Amino acid sequence: NAGVTQTPKFRVLKTGQSMTLLCAQDMNHEYMYWYRQDPGMGLRLIHYSVGEGTTAKGEVPDGYNVSRLKKQNFLLGLESAAPSQTSVYFCASSYSSDSGRFAYNEQFFGPGTRLTVL
Amino acid sequence: RKEVEQDPGPFNVPEGATVAFNCTYSNSASQSFFWYRQDCRKEPKLLMSVYSSGNEDGRFTAQLNRASQYISLLIRDSKLSDSATYLCVVAGGTSYGKLTFGQGTILTVHP
Repeated sequence: NAGVTQTPKFRVLKTGQSMTLLCAQDMNHEYMYWYRQDPGMGLRLIHYSVGEGTTAKGEVPDGYNVSRLKKQNFLLGLESAAPSQTSVYFCASSYSSDSGRFAYNEQFFGPGTRLTVL
Repeated sequence: RKEVEQDPGPFNVPEGATVAFNCTYSNSASQSFFWYRQDCRKEPKLLMSVYSSGNEDGRFTAQLNRASQYISLLIRDSKLSDSATYLCVVAGGTSYGKLTFGQGTILTVHP
């Protein structure tokens, strides 16, 4: 099993350009997440999804959109990139639990996408 | 005040040393606690969950003090391969129970 994969691994954008980051998981996990990691800030949740066709905002959603059309894929879009969006982006997934407290289960992370916006 | 605070270090220790990391959290309603490990330029991976009674996994011991809102990680007999960033992670306290990550503590183990 590949686990969680992310494409691309690296990208450089100019201010105002758009792009989509793709996350795929082959573990049949219900829940998927997008985080960004910045120096000294820790990982911050951008958006998350508790199932196919559903998405919700996390801690820092502004400037990003997401879609979960298939259970195994979670896309993160930047419509008009800004230098403040320069970061490392991690996708993660986790299985559901009977209690519904999805975040309490182990999250499996992809290798990350390093994005620079000039 | 940050929701989860860790001493960023770096901690530089010789092989065989015992090292302890501390973490405090601000939300008293938090319900689950974890330590994740992140190698340089890699993704975070779960190291261990932290239970109220304390738990041990080989050379690693995690403890939780709910009254003081404090979590610790103890590493005994440090190995070179333990060099990494250790992330304190707290969950719960909101309707969807998001994970909140500390900024990480950097550990370097030298020969």
